Amino acid sequence: AQKITQTQPGMFVQEKEAVTLDCTYDTSDPSYGLFWYKQPSSGEMIFLIYQGSYDQQNATEGRYSLNFQKARKSANLVISASQLGDSAMYFCAMRELPSQGGSEKLVFGKGTKLTVNP
Amino acid sequence: GAVVSQHPSWVICKSGTSVKIECRSLDFQATTMFWYRQFPKQSLMLMATSNEGSKATYEQGVEKDKFLINHASLTLSTLTVTSAHPEDSSFYICSAREELSNQPQHFGDGTRLSIL
Repeated sequence: AQKITQTQPGMFVQEKEAVTLDCTYDTSDPSYGLFWYKQPSSGEMIFLIYQGSYDQQNATEGRYSLNFQKARKSANLVISASQLGDSAMYFCAMRELPSQGGSEKLVFGKGTKLTVNP
Repeated sequence: GAVVSQHPSWVICKSGTSVKIECRSLDFQATTMFWYRQFPKQSLMLMATSNEGSKATYEQGVEKDKFLINHASLTLSTLTVTSAHPEDSSFYICSAREELSNQPQHFGDGTRLSIL
C-alpha cells in the first residue's frame, strides 16, 4: 500500500497566484516527520519544509507553508505568490523508522509537476 | 546549511564498465548516507542505506553484488555500479543528514548514468 499519496500528477498556476499541492500519508507510528522537496529539471533535490507529527503549528518557510491536518493525515504544501522559477517537480516524503530497528527511511510520493505560467 | 556533494554529475560509458559515484558531506559528519535511484518521470526509490564502518543495508530487490557501497569515513560514501549494462542507466542520487533528529536529509546533485 502506498504510504505517501500525491494525487495531482500535474498542476498549473498563474504567476503571482497561490497554489496548493496535495499530499496524504499513511502510518500507524505516532512519531513521524513529513517533508517537501523540490526537484527542478536539473535533478537536484531541494529541501523546502518540514513538519513533525507533534508540532502544534503548521510549518512555514518564506513563501512555503504546510497545511497539516493530522486527523486527515494530510500535509499539503501551499506556495504563495508563485514565481516562474517555482516550475518543478514537488515530492512529499515521510520519514519512518523500521519497526524492527535499523536506520530511518524516507518514503517519497510520486510527485506533482508544477508549471507556473507567466 | 548542510551541503552534500556528489561526483560525477554525468557519466557515459560502455557496457561492462564499472562506475564509481562519490557522495560527500562537506560541512557535517554523517554516520548514515542513503542512495536512491530515479527513473525518468518517476519518484526516488531507496536502494540502500550506507553505514559508516559497517555493511550497507540494501532494500529488497537491489543486488548487493551489482551495487557495491562503501562508507569508509564519516564524510564519504561511494556507490560502485559493477559491470554496468544499459538497464542500469538511471539517475542516482545520494543523501545524508546531520545527526539531530529533526534535520532533513540533504541531497547531492545526482549522477546521470548512461550505459551504451
